[in-house]
Amino acid sequence: DGGITQSPKYLFRKEGQNVTLSCEQNLNHDAMYWYRQDPGQGLRLIYYSQIVNDFQKGDIAEGYSVSREKKESFPLTVTSAQKNPTAFYLCASSRLPNYEQYFGPGTRLTVT
Amino acid sequence: GESVGLHLPTLSVQEGDNSIINCAYSNSASDYFIWYKQESGKGPQFIIDIRSNMDKRQGQRVTVLLNKTVKHLSLQIAATQPGDSAVYFCAESHGQNFVFGPGTRLSVLP
Repeated sequence: DGGITQSPKYLFRKEGQNVTLSCEQNLNHDAMYWYRQDPGQGLRLIYYSQIVNDFQKGDIAEGYSVSREKKESFPLTVTSAQKNPTAFYLCASSRLPNYEQYFGPGTRLTVT
Repeated sequence: GESVGLHLPTLSVQEGDNSIINCAYSNSASDYFIWYKQESGKGPQFIIDIRSNMDKRQGQRVTVLLNKTVKHLSLQIAATQPGDSAVYFCAESHGQNFVFGPGTRLSVLP
């Protein structure tokens, strides 16, 4: 059963704490992406990776970090430097850049 | 459920009618376009795509039309069903990354 998984579905943290969101895919896709979704706005790109051990900043990378040590995994860390971290976070993958992106179910992060 | 989709344009259609959802894109160099469907609390789901060398593409109950002259994309859903209720958004790409529209909420009336 191929697809993208994100965990957990809901995550609660205190302000000032770092938190890591998980994203795993078994589609054998080279490219992976992290997006943030806020009410009434389009998805905004945080980071992307086209190949293992390489990743690039997206439009809103400040306060976030990623790693791509394995093809299947692309975890996102929301650091305490992110000023407004409460949001719905979506991970996606695609076979190649500029191809259809498949999305995970998302993680809702609430920071208080 | 998720708060995604608040304050979005809403389209209400009667069950069984056809729906047309529109999207204006920004980059005349964009060459690949996708329509996604997002239900409350879930990740976006691919519906249909089209490349810039085409102006129309059909799937099962869905049709995408591309007008490059006015940078306009539309999604037509035939015989709209209650399960079609969701937020629909378009995505455009030139190169490796996509730009996503904010979406339109489709409500299907019984």
